[in-house]
Amino acid sequence: RKEVEQDPGPFNVPEGATVAFNCTYSNSASQSFFWYRQDCRKEPKLLMSVYSSGNEDGRFTAQLNRASQYISLLIRDSKLSDSATYLCAVNRDGGFKTIFGAGTRLFVKA
Amino acid sequence: DVKVTQSSRYLVKRTGEKVFLECVQDMDHENMFWYRQDPGLGLRLIYFSYDVKMKEKGDIPEGYSVSREKKERFSLILESASTNQTSMYLCASSLRDSWYNSPLHFGNGTRLTVT
Repeated sequence: RKEVEQDPGPFNVPEGATVAFNCTYSNSASQSFFWYRQDCRKEPKLLMSVYSSGNEDGRFTAQLNRASQYISLLIRDSKLSDSATYLCAVNRDGGFKTIFGAGTRLFVKA
Repeated sequence: DVKVTQSSRYLVKRTGEKVFLECVQDMDHENMFWYRQDPGLGLRLIYFSYDVKMKEKGDIPEGYSVSREKKERFSLILESASTNQTSMYLCASSLRDSWYNSPLHFGNGTRLTVT
């Protein structure tokens, strides 16, 4: 079993839709959590950190459930430009190791 | 803006060759990392370094070594390249001050093909 697991998708949604991704992690010692976005043939870029109380950045909302060991990302009012692969990531081992999920592919269509 | 620069975008090498991948960052970050990314497997940590001349193994260090002689530069070395090392290699850096919650800043990757 992988340490960080995501549904690979793809998720195909129309513009304006709300879409949610989940990610589970197996190491209870994981300390901090992130969502990265990766466009085709590009490097991953930080989308948002995930805080214990949940946090929002515009159309994006991230949640953390430590008891169940999962994090989620909600995208509201999807745009064509949201089409990308979304990677969840967890830090452990004193913050020096960031472990990534394999990513969830999102296609937003007009 | 943080800039992480990888020396080559595409590289083709032969089996058995010694391969050097270079990475330079310009934001005085203490931590540097090498990952490889493969379809279906995601990013996997090869090695990381939290200071000059310091190095730590990641989850898949076999067949690789690293060098960090200067703070801004972190090199990945494939001692004897093999076909199963064909992959996308990504370098990243992060701050130590906020190590607990410090995100990674990635270079744009080196696509290595070993034939």
